[in-house]
Amino acid sequence: DADVTQTPRNRITKTGKRIMLECSQTKGHDRMYWYRQDPGLGLRLIYYSFDVKDINKGEISDGYSVSRQAQAKFSLSLESAIPNQTALYFCATSEGKNQPQHFGDGTRLSIL
Amino acid sequence: GQNIDQPTEMTATEGAIVQINCTYQTSGFNGLFWYQQHAGEAPTFLSYNVLDGLEEKGRFSSFLSRSKGYSYLLLKELQMKDSASYLCAVKETGANNLFFGTGTRLTVIP
Repeated sequence: DADVTQTPRNRITKTGKRIMLECSQTKGHDRMYWYRQDPGLGLRLIYYSFDVKDINKGEISDGYSVSRQAQAKFSLSLESAIPNQTALYFCATSEGKNQPQHFGDGTRLSIL
Repeated sequence: GQNIDQPTEMTATEGAIVQINCTYQTSGFNGLFWYQQHAGEAPTFLSYNVLDGLEEKGRFSSFLSRSKGYSYLLLKELQMKDSASYLCAVKETGANNLFFGTGTRLTVIP
């Protein structure tokens, strides 16, 4: 079983729809992250959380929101999806400050 | 701020050695990570350097020079399965997140 699980793996939706991407982990890590990956731009941080009561904006948080429902769960929402949010989205976890991040398998999101 | 630079693409032959370079500029350096990412898959951790020098891990080694703002990933005895993107990521002092380069796509040919 995967340690970091993302659902759905693929989603196609229309402009203006509200979308939620889910991430759950069994690694017991406190730190969780959401990234998007676009061709030629690399991974960019959207939001991160160091515990259930801690939420922080990353480089590109506009148009997104997150919820840390439990230590193991961190969800990403697009309140009103727009086509330039079409991307591959990754959730990641880490054990501590300078520890490597462990990534989920990604969610491929297409907004028409 | 940070500026991370890697070559976009490289090609190498099966069995050979390849070196993938990464240069960076940061306001305060606190570690550098290398990740491997196969097409459409999750990035996976390869190595971490925070002090100058070479870290060896099987066929893969990573080198860091903090004074030059430079790292490289060395892959020996290349195999076809090493065809992937290699991502360089930098941790800044006081920052809670990683900054990723755009990655180097390596193609291994027979």
